[in-house]
Amino acid sequence: RKEVEQDPGPFNVPEGATVAFNCTYSNSASQSFFWYRQDCRKEPKLLMSVYSSGNEDGRFTAQLNRASQYISLLIRDSKLSDSATYLCWGKLQFGAGTQVVVTP
Amino acid sequence: EAGVTQSPTHLIKTRGQQATLRCSPISGHTSVYWYQQALGLGLQFLLWYDEGEERNRGNFPPRFSGRQFPNYSSELNVNALELEDSALYLCASSFFNQPQHFGDGTRLSIL
Repeated sequence: RKEVEQDPGPFNVPEGATVAFNCTYSNSASQSFFWYRQDCRKEPKLLMSVYSSGNEDGRFTAQLNRASQYISLLIRDSKLSDSATYLCWGKLQFGAGTQVVVTP
Repeated sequence: EAGVTQSPTHLIKTRGQQATLRCSPISGHTSVYWYQQALGLGLQFLLWYDEGEERNRGNFPPRFSGRQFPNYSSELNVNALELEDSALYLCASSFFNQPQHFGDGTRLSIL
C-alpha cells in the first residue's frame, strides 16, 4: 500500500465554484506536507506548504488533520487556469495526483 | 537566484544504449531527487541523494543509477535502455525538510 494516496479524479468544477480534495497518508511520522500543481507535460510547481494550523493563500486553503491522517486542499472561486493535476507530498513521497478540470 | 537546471532538454537514444542526465540544484540545496514520469502517469520516485550519499531508492532495476558530486550536482545514468524508459525525467532539489523545487526535466525518447 502506498504511503500517500489521492483520488485521481477528475474533479469537474464549474468556473466560480469551490472544490476540495484530500490526500491520505499512512506514515504517522510524516512531518512536512506540501501541495504541488502540475500542468500537462510540465514540471510540478510548489503551490503551498501545509501546516497543522492550516494556511491560506488567496483562493487556496490547505489543512492538515493529523488525527485522521489526511491533508486537504480547497480552491474557492475556481478559475479556468486552475485546471491542473494537484500533487500532495509527504514523507519522501508524492501522491499520484488529483486532476481538476474547471469548465466555463 | 537560479533554479534547478537539467540537461539535456531532450535526448534521443536507441534500445541498448546508455543515457546520462544531469542536474544542478539550487544554490544551498544539498538534496537532489530524481523522478520518472511516463506519459499520462504520475511521478515515480527513482533516487534521493543528500550530501553525496544515496539515501533512498525507488523500485527501479539496477541499470538506473546515479551519483551526487561534491558541488551537489547530480547525474542519472540509465544503462541498457529499453523502450519503456521513454519518459520525462525530473530532478528536484531541496534543503533539509524544505519543499522540493523542480527543474524543467529531460525528455528521453527511446527508438
